[in-house]
Amino acid sequence: GQNIDQPTEMTATEGAIVQINCTYQTSGFNGLFWYQQHAGEAPTFLSYNVLDGLEEKGRFSSFLSRSKGYSYLLLKELQMKDSASYLCAGGPRFDRGSTLGRLYFGRGTQLTVWP
Amino acid sequence: GAGVSQSPRYKVAKRGQDVALRCDPISGHVSLFWYQQALGQGPEFLTYFQNEAQLDKSGLPSDRFFAERPEGSVSTLKIQRTQQEDSAVYLCASSRNVRGAGTEQYFGPGTRLTVT
Repeated sequence: GQNIDQPTEMTATEGAIVQINCTYQTSGFNGLFWYQQHAGEAPTFLSYNVLDGLEEKGRFSSFLSRSKGYSYLLLKELQMKDSASYLCAGGPRFDRGSTLGRLYFGRGTQLTVWP
Repeated sequence: GAGVSQSPRYKVAKRGQDVALRCDPISGHVSLFWYQQALGQGPEFLTYFQNEAQLDKSGLPSDRFFAERPEGSVSTLKIQRTQQEDSAVYLCASSRNVRGAGTEQYFGPGTRLTVT
C-alpha cells in the first residue's frame, strides 16, 4: 500500500530546532509534499521534493531520500505560531502511462511550541 | 489572487438528508480534488477531476457520494441519504498542473459536515 508514517505528536520550545520525520512504503510517488495545518483551517503548502537532497526555504527545510522512502521537515528558530499539524504527503503517481494526481497523506504530526 | 473557496463552511444535516457542497477552485487550475478529513487524521482522497473529466473516483466511500464539475471550474460534491459516519471536514483542492511544476495543491477552508 501507500503507508505514510509520521509521529503523532512532538513538542519543542521557542527558538529551538525540530525535525519531523516521514517514512513511506511505496516507490511509486513522484515526490513528497509537506503541508502545515492550523486547527480548523485548510492545509497550506510548505514544500515539494522531487529530487533527493535538502531544499531550504527560509526557516523551513525539507529533505528526501527516495531510495530509503524517507523525508523530514526541519523547522528552525521555532515560533509560537509554528504550533500546528504538519502533514507529509506522497504523490502524484504515474501508473500505466497516466498521471494520478491524488496525494496520499499521513495522519499528521501535531507540533506544540512552548514559550 | 483569490484562493480556493468552499461553501457552506458549516453544514448540519439530519440523518437521511441530502447535502451539496460547493468548491470554487483557483481560476485556470486544471485539476480539482476532493478529500475527506476526519478529526485527528490526514485528508483522505475522494475524487479527482482534470478539467470537466472525472478521472479518478476510487476514493468515494459509497454510491451515495457523487461529484461533478460540468464546466471544468466549479465543482459540487453531493452526498445522498447522509449517515453519521459521513460527519467530517470535506476539503477541496486545486492545482495548476498534474505533473512537473505547479503540481502543488492549494486547499480551500473546507466544509465541516455534522450529521445528527
